[in-house]
Amino acid sequence: DAGVTQSPTHLIKTRGQQVTLRCSPKSGHDTVSWYQQALGQGPQFIFQYYEEEERQRGNFPDRFSGHQFPNYSSELNVNALLLGDSALYLCASSLVRTLSRELFFGEGSRLTVL
Amino acid sequence: AQRVTQPEKLLSVFKGAPVELKCNYSYSGSPELFWYVQYSRQRLQLLLRHISRESIKGFTADLNKGETSFHLKKPFAQEEDSAMYYCALSGQLGGYQKVTFGTGTKLQVIP
Repeated sequence: DAGVTQSPTHLIKTRGQQVTLRCSPKSGHDTVSWYQQALGQGPQFIFQYYEEEERQRGNFPDRFSGHQFPNYSSELNVNALLLGDSALYLCASSLVRTLSRELFFGEGSRLTVL
Repeated sequence: AQRVTQPEKLLSVFKGAPVELKCNYSYSGSPELFWYVQYSRQRLQLLLRHISRESIKGFTADLNKGETSFHLKKPFAQEEDSAMYYCALSGQLGGYQKVTFGTGTKLQVIP
């Protein structure tokens, strides 16, 4: 089991561009959550997907959107990039109906906006 | 709203000394608290959860609802404990969990 995998690992964009980040959850997991981690900060919750729908959302603008596919993989899209969007984007997978509530994290995609 | 506060960015202790990483939370419902750890060059991973009441790698944490705290403790620090520690709170809305993390505390164990 490869665990949670994310791509790309690093990318550089310029202001105003759009970016798509991808995540494959741990085998057997059905829920994907996305987090933004700025330098020196803890992970900030962006949103959570289950059954191909957004179920919970953090305090992020509509420029941040996502998608979940039937195979449970997920994408995070960010439009009209700002310098402040530079961060490590983490994907975490879990099982919605479990007592464990443990999140399994990927290694992240580091986005730099110039 | 749910919030997690970790007041210390850095905690340095000598090997063999006791460790206490502080965590306070704010949540209107019944909270589920966790500690996650990130060792150098590794991904973020679960260390322990309050409902399990278990000791992992010598670490324990007790949920104190009166003080809204969930401090992480270890009686004798080891060099391999050096890592970034994040306190996290899981809140429920409509059956779906939202996990909020604190800003993290870097534990540095001095040999």
